[in-house]
Amino acid sequence: AQTVTQSQPEMSVQEAETVTLSCTYDTSESDYYLFWYKQPPSRQMILVIRQEAYKQQNATENRFSVNFQKAAKSFSLKISDSQLGDAAMYFCAYRSVYSGGGADGLTFGKGTHLIIQP
Amino acid sequence: GAGVSQSPSNKVTEKGKDVELRCDPISGHTALYWYRQRLGQGLEFLIYFQGNSAPDKSGLPSDRFSAERTGESVSTLTIQRTQQEDSAVYLCASSPLRANSNQPQHFGDGTRLSIL
Repeated sequence: AQTVTQSQPEMSVQEAETVTLSCTYDTSESDYYLFWYKQPPSRQMILVIRQEAYKQQNATENRFSVNFQKAAKSFSLKISDSQLGDAAMYFCAYRSVYSGGGADGLTFGKGTHLIIQP
Repeated sequence: GAGVSQSPSNKVTEKGKDVELRCDPISGHTALYWYRQRLGQGLEFLIYFQGNSAPDKSGLPSDRFSAERTGESVSTLTIQRTQQEDSAVYLCASSPLRANSNQPQHFGDGTRLSIL
C-alpha cells in the first residue's frame, strides 16, 4: 500500500514571500499521479496542481509550482508571492494507475496548515 | 448544478441511530468517491463507484457502512448503529472518467457528522 507523508503540521509565511511545503511518498509503482489540494475552512477540497509521474518536467500553475523528485519520492509545493487567500490546509495526494484494493481512491497525507501573516 | 453537492451540511445524532448522507455529483461524471476525514487528519478513501456499480469497497471500515448509487447520479452513504468513532466529515467527489485516469476529483463541501 502507498503512504504519503507531510512532515510539516504547520507553516507560516509573510504575505508576498515564498513558501515550500514538503511531501514524500512511498510506492513500488513506476507510474502514478500526484496532486496538491487546498482545503479552506469551507471544507471543500480544491485542486491546486497535479503531476504525472512519467513526466520529468515539473508542473506549474501561476504562482504554484512543484519540485518532483521521482527517485527521492518527493513532491514539494512552492507558493510564490503568498497571498492572504492562500491560507488553508494543504494536502498532498497519490493515485495509482491501477484499480482495486483501495487503489481507486486518492491516498492523502495528514496535511500542512499554512498561515499567511500580513 | 455547477459542482458536487452534499446534504446535509451538518448532522448531529445519537449513538446507535442510523444516518444517511447524500451526494449529487457533477452532471455527466461517471466516477464517484466517498472519503472520511477525521479531525486533524487527511482523507481516508471509503468507496468508489463507476456508474452504479462499486468495484472498490475496500475502504469501508465495517459492515455498518454501506453505499449505493442510482445510475450516474445521486449516491447515498448509510451508517447503521452509529458509534462515536464515526464522527467525522464525510466528503464526496466525482470525476469524468474511470478512477485510474489522470482526471482530478472534484469535491463537495462535505457533511460534518457528530455522534453524541
